[in-house]
Amino acid sequence: DQQVKQNSPSLSVQEGRISILNCDYTNSMFDYFLWYKKYPAEGPTFLISISSIKDKNEDGRFTVFLNKSAKHLSLHIVPSQPGDSAVYFCAAHGSSNTGKLIFGQGTTLQVKP
Amino acid sequence: DARVTQTPRHKVTEMGQEVTMRCQPILGHNTVFWYRQTMMQGLELLAYFRNRAPLDDSGMPKDRFSAEMPDATLATLKIQPSEPRDSAVYFCASGPVTETQYFGPGTRLLVL
Repeated sequence: DQQVKQNSPSLSVQEGRISILNCDYTNSMFDYFLWYKKYPAEGPTFLISISSIKDKNEDGRFTVFLNKSAKHLSLHIVPSQPGDSAVYFCAAHGSSNTGKLIFGQGTTLQVKP
Repeated sequence: DARVTQTPRHKVTEMGQEVTMRCQPILGHNTVFWYRQTMMQGLELLAYFRNRAPLDDSGMPKDRFSAEMPDATLATLKIQPSEPRDSAVYFCASGPVTETQYFGPGTRLLVL
């Protein structure tokens, strides 16, 4: 039972354009969401997060949007840069469980120069 | 720049051998997590510690896996006996609170 889903395994965009990575979840008890970025041969690094009481959080070129009614969140990167090419994981934290994060499968983003 | 460290970075072993992976969490972090990344399952949580006490190891095959924190600076994940299906990248993460976790570089395990 996949509680956090990233249905697009890969995404390719042109440098300078917008990258939109999507994530769906099934558990309405999740209260905090995070995006992690992972380069090959490295561990995931925290990118941006959003609390369930908000619908948008922005940090530089990165913006996360949360649509609770649709149980959907998205990460927007604008403008995209070749250095953004990586695997992006969304994760959800539920206050009702032990505090663990539930990760999606990941989406591989390729930004072409 | 504080980081989570993991050793070894790579491990090749034969089926049936014991494997021990080590993690040094960031000083001051009271939560430690072990994850496994596979192509099919993405990032799976294996075990979770808070203040060195195991809180959740439901994701871990109990018959062959064990996770411990002998002290606040060391977390270990052991597989005995190892099997080819255990081949994966194993990540350790630590955090001051459970929402934000900082990952180590991973141990890439290959069991032949």
